[in-house]
Amino acid sequence: GQQVQQSPSSLVLQEGENAELQCNFSSTATQLQWFYQSPGGSLVSLLSNPSGTKHTGRLTSTTVTKERRSSLHISSSQTTDSGTYLCAIDRNSAGNKLTFGIGTRVLVRP
Amino acid sequence: EAAVTQSPRSKVAVTGGKVTLSCHQTNNHDYMYWYRQDTGHGLRLIHYSYVADSTEKGDIPDGYKASRPSQENFSLILELASLSQTAVYFCASSGTGVTGQLYFGEGSKLTVL
Repeated sequence: GQQVQQSPSSLVLQEGENAELQCNFSSTATQLQWFYQSPGGSLVSLLSNPSGTKHTGRLTSTTVTKERRSSLHISSSQTTDSGTYLCAIDRNSAGNKLTFGIGTRVLVRP
Repeated sequence: EAAVTQSPRSKVAVTGGKVTLSCHQTNNHDYMYWYRQDTGHGLRLIHYSYVADSTEKGDIPDGYKASRPSQENFSLILELASLSQTAVYFCASSGTGVTGQLYFGEGSKLTVL
């Protein structure tokens, strides 16, 4: 079955609103990363957070390893945040052999 | 700025034909990867390599070969393209270690007719 499940599948925000994206995984993860895929398709790594809380800009990720879940909080959303957010895990420590979720599609309206 | 470039960016191939997707990185990274993305699926790992002249199978290697002739270059080869291989293919590179950040190319859209 699906090893990485993301919710919600899609989300519509008004500019300035906050959002929380969820990622649940079915196996132990030595690594957990969040990626952003632009509407044009390009992929960018946002942050790596295998456990605890990490911040970068307006993004905060919290991972609770023993509960096999992670969240990505977007604060004060902007139209440029529109795109798809992907969660990925690595089940061993030998390189980035990541298993990806299908993603959460975010649309931020002006 | 780390850079991964793919070619071609878009290709139409006929069923049974041979397709080669190329990837070049200027990051001096040891690891390189090929993923495919389909609607309704997350990115799935096809092949990867952690050193030149060596490749490893990922999660969905059937129907694909890979070649890593140098640290900078990593190719994905479809000897006999099939309709089911229509997808967007992404190459990526990363440094060694658990926390190595993954850098993706822009993607190659392959349509097999």
